[in-house]
Amino acid sequence: EAQVTQNPRYLITVTGKKLTVTCSQNMNHEYMSWYRQDPGLGLRQIYYSMNVEVTDKGDVPEGYKVSRKEKRNFPLILESPSPNQTSLYFCASSRPSGGSYEQYFGPGTRLTVT
Amino acid sequence: GENVEQHPSTLSVQEGDSAVIKCTYSDSASNYFPWYKQELGKGPQLIIDIRSNVGEKKDQRIAVTLNKTAKHFSLHITETQPEDSAVYFCAARAGGTSYGKLTFGQGTILTVHP
Repeated sequence: EAQVTQNPRYLITVTGKKLTVTCSQNMNHEYMSWYRQDPGLGLRQIYYSMNVEVTDKGDVPEGYKVSRKEKRNFPLILESPSPNQTSLYFCASSRPSGGSYEQYFGPGTRLTVT
Repeated sequence: GENVEQHPSTLSVQEGDSAVIKCTYSDSASNYFPWYKQELGKGPQLIIDIRSNVGEKKDQRIAVTLNKTAKHFSLHITETQPEDSAVYFCAARAGGTSYGKLTFGQGTILTVHP
């Protein structure tokens, strides 16, 4: 089954404790991206990657790191989480074709930083 | 950078009525405008998209219109059904060298009453 998987789905952590949220897709997509969703703010792009070893900042990259060493994986790293990073996080992947850039989203990771 | 404004934030209609959600964008270089539907507890899913060289696109009960001059685009849902109840997001994709960037609107909670 074609899908984007994220782990963990739920995470409660404390301020300053480094964490990684994994994202993997099995559709051989070149493009991957991370978003955070907050009430009233919609989805905001954190980082995106056009291909292996090619990443760029979205609109809210502060406090986050990413890497793209393999095509299928795009982990999101919070080296020193703070309470304002409490949010719902989505990973997405895409293969632009025929003028469409449909993104396939994962199920989300709900992160709470205390 | 791009700014996407979406209205209304909530929309309540009776089954069978039409629903219209409007978005404006700021960057005239944006060239791709998708609409996503998010059901409770799930990731967003693409329902329709339009490119900047097209003024209107229709897919069964849903349609999107684009006015490049005014920099706004709208989602139209006809003959609404209870299963249309969800959160809807518009988005705009940057052109040029930042074509990986996708900016979302704040979202519209649509409720269709039976």
